[in-house]
Amino acid sequence: GENVEQHPSTLSVQEGDSAVIKCTYSDSASNYFPWYKQELGKRPQLIIDIRSNVGEKKDQRIAVTLNKTAKHFSLHITETQPEDSAVYFCAAAGGYQKVTFGIGTKLQVIP
Amino acid sequence: GAVVSQHPSRVICKSGTSVKIECRSLDFQATTMFWYRQFPKQSLMLMATSNEGSKATYEQGVEKDKFLINHASLTLSTLTVTSAHPEDSSFYICSAASTSGSTDTQYFGPGTRLTVL
Repeated sequence: GENVEQHPSTLSVQEGDSAVIKCTYSDSASNYFPWYKQELGKRPQLIIDIRSNVGEKKDQRIAVTLNKTAKHFSLHITETQPEDSAVYFCAAAGGYQKVTFGIGTKLQVIP
Repeated sequence: GAVVSQHPSRVICKSGTSVKIECRSLDFQATTMFWYRQFPKQSLMLMATSNEGSKATYEQGVEKDKFLINHASLTLSTLTVTSAHPEDSSFYICSAASTSGSTDTQYFGPGTRLTVL
């Protein structure tokens, strides 16, 4: 089955700096890579996703890159703000069946 | 956007009792729903995949006789934790996959925090 590794597990950045979270996956058949943000005690919220036919996608301060050859994908948050503090999960899936999540990264943005 | 509800949001029960959790897709039809369990400070672990009108597919290590899943309609799936024990205390989250068009995004319910005394 799919195995998703995520790092770092914790990340502290100063407000205004950038944050980068990296993931790798094992199943070359995976073609959908969503990223979720989860605040304490709440549900995961989809913040951005990317499919295997593109290498990069951007939405305001958030961008995701995908390297299918290396099986790497990354989340980039620029100009971080305190409200970006949360746990971020990467995930990989082949179609709409069985999304496999990474272990999560706790991001703390220090004002 | 797609909305998924879950009920109840919190439940406290005595050891040995059964608890039913409902997951509903409110504004779209979901042929597939997923049930996850999340322990504190850990990732989401898939328990089972629920397909409307058929038996659920359970992940390795998940007891199907203990975690009963019923997906009776395109908008409702239920998870029943039978004979709950304190080690079953966790945050249970469902998600529904929207299959309209080509999207396969999963939308999560708000979760149910189960505490077994």
